[in-house]
Amino acid sequence: LAKTTQPISMDSYEGQEVNITCSHNNIATNDYITWYQQFPSQGPRFIIQGYKTKVTNEVASLFIPADRKSSTLSLPRVSLSDTAVYYCRTYNFNKFYFGSGTKLNVKP
Amino acid sequence: EAGVTQFPSHSVIEKGQTVTLRCDPISGHDNLYWYRRVMGKEIKFLLHFVKESKQDESGMPNNRFLAERTGGTYSTLKVQPAELEDSGVYFCASSQVLLTPSEQYFGPGTRLTVT
Repeated sequence: LAKTTQPISMDSYEGQEVNITCSHNNIATNDYITWYQQFPSQGPRFIIQGYKTKVTNEVASLFIPADRKSSTLSLPRVSLSDTAVYYCRTYNFNKFYFGSGTKLNVKP
Repeated sequence: EAGVTQFPSHSVIEKGQTVTLRCDPISGHDNLYWYRRVMGKEIKFLLHFVKESKQDESGMPNNRFLAERTGGTYSTLKVQPAELEDSGVYFCASSQVLLTPSEQYFGPGTRLTVT
């Protein structure tokens, strides 16, 4: 059974790069890895998705090692508005497994 | 373009009562998903519709939960009778054709409190 685990919380300061790692030891061959951002009273919002190696878009990068048992979301130069809960999620055969979320607190 | 909407935003009911949650997906999205987050735990998948058909309902906790999507548009999730452990936030999401894992758009959720 796929299971994702991630740190409960992280603190950072404005302008720093933040890396959040998610473990998914039982990831299956066909699983994709997706990261979401959630603000209070809102639903999760898609950030980035990948299968292997590195993926980059306008807001983040996603690093996935060769064994794919973990993934790291990298947020460059965070601002106060990046304070939110970040979820990793694996997808396999129409089943979705979310981590418990990492609460990122960005300080001035 | 309107996003995924859910109604109500918050519902407080007593144990034993019935509650119906509604989700309106993004227009044109055939895939509709229900998830639930119980306090302090991860978001869990409940079920997946493709148009009006249930593709996968393996995540539904028990037969007190009934989901429908008549006509392949909006969906309802009924809990009858509600129990204390049903409290949590229920999210709905929708996506387009599922050829590869496509981006899911989430609604704001319905916070259900069973007392």
